[in-house]
Amino acid sequence: GENVEQHPSTLSVQEGDSAVIKCTYSDSASNYFPWYKQELGKRPQLIIDIRSNVGEKKDQRIAVTLNKTAKHFSLHITETQPEDSAVYFCAAGTSGTYKYIFGTGTRLKVLA
Amino acid sequence: NAGVTQTPKFQVLKTGQSMTLQCAQDMNHEYMSWYRQDPGMGLRLIHYSVGAGITDQGEVPNGYNVSRSTTEDFPLRLLSAAPSQTSVYFCASSKDRDQYEQYFGPGTRLTVT
Repeated sequence: GENVEQHPSTLSVQEGDSAVIKCTYSDSASNYFPWYKQELGKRPQLIIDIRSNVGEKKDQRIAVTLNKTAKHFSLHITETQPEDSAVYFCAAGTSGTYKYIFGTGTRLKVLA
Repeated sequence: NAGVTQTPKFQVLKTGQSMTLQCAQDMNHEYMSWYRQDPGMGLRLIHYSVGAGITDQGEVPNGYNVSRSTTEDFPLRLLSAAPSQTSVYFCASSKDRDQYEQYFGPGTRLTVT
């Protein structure tokens, strides 16, 4: 069946450095790729998303890139801050199906 | 708007007991879904609904039932609780089929002993 692989499972960076999280999807019909941030004990919240007709999207310190040929997409966080520490989930979805497949999550720790 | 609400926040059940997790949204969203979150396994889809009266199975439906009698409510029923159902359960909703953002509820932490 469809799946989404996410790497790494844990990531520690120094404050101010960049962090990159990568996901690979299997379903070539996938055309919507959101990223969610989940702080400890809280609900997941959308931080950025990208559709398959776009190769890159930026929102301040956060960017997502998509390579449809290779079926992978990545989250880039620049100038990391302690409040960026959380678990990040990628997902892949297909228009008209409603269903997302989530990756297994990356625990990001930003060290002050 | 309250967004997506879930009750209860915490629940402890004994093996074999049944219970219903409640989920409601006040955003008039078509799509609602239930996920379970286990350590190292991300969010796995249990059941989903694309509108009142319409439900379908997700990735891990066994042991769970759902119904959608109104647009607002989407309860998840555990038929006979098992320790393997110990998890955090999230309800989510989104506007329509164009893959809009999913809004998650605060979650229910369920322990089955």
